[in-house]
Amino acid sequence: DAGVTQSPTHLIKTRGQQVTLRCSPKSGHDTVSWYQQALGQGPQFIFQYYEEEERQRGNFPDRFSGHQFPNYSSELNVNALLLGDSALYLCASSPGPPGNTIYFGEGSWLTVV
Amino acid sequence: LAKTTQPISMDSYEGQEVNITCSHNNIATNDYITWYQQFPSQGPRFIIQGYKTKVTNEVASLFIPADRKSSTLSLPRVSLSDTAVYYCLVGDVGTYKYIFGTGTRLKVLA
Repeated sequence: DAGVTQSPTHLIKTRGQQVTLRCSPKSGHDTVSWYQQALGQGPQFIFQYYEEEERQRGNFPDRFSGHQFPNYSSELNVNALLLGDSALYLCASSPGPPGNTIYFGEGSWLTVV
Repeated sequence: LAKTTQPISMDSYEGQEVNITCSHNNIATNDYITWYQQFPSQGPRFIIQGYKTKVTNEVASLFIPADRKSSTLSLPRVSLSDTAVYYCLVGDVGTYKYIFGTGTRLKVLA
């Protein structure tokens, strides 16, 4: 049983460019959340998708957007990249509510130069 | 969302029991307490989750007093491989929106 898988594992982008990160949830999970983790900090909640809709959002600008597909996989898109967007981007999945925990993937390392 | 407070760092020796306490004074009725372990450059790994009293699994125990304003993660007989950052999270499992603090950096010494 595969866990949460993310791609790519590492990538480098230039300021102003756009990036798309992908996530496949754990089998049986239909809710996907995205987190940003800067070096030395705890993960920060970006948003959450359920039934192909954004259900909750953290304190991130509109440059951060996402999508969930019918097979529950998800994408995180970041436009107009800034140097400060350099971080580990974590995807977490969970089965439908209530009463279950979330499981994280290994993350995608984004470096903006 | 309830804010959590943990010690920034702890040192221990191999074979000892380690207890990490987390304070969450504003915990809500629907909130569960969850602990994660994170190694450098890896995603957080679920350790244990509880609502009240004591929960035990194959790797840890979680102690929650009656007022639920704090919780203690207990790691029995730690090894060098337990060196990691440990996060205490409090949140409504129905929403899955978790606020991470800075975590506790545990260093296990030989």
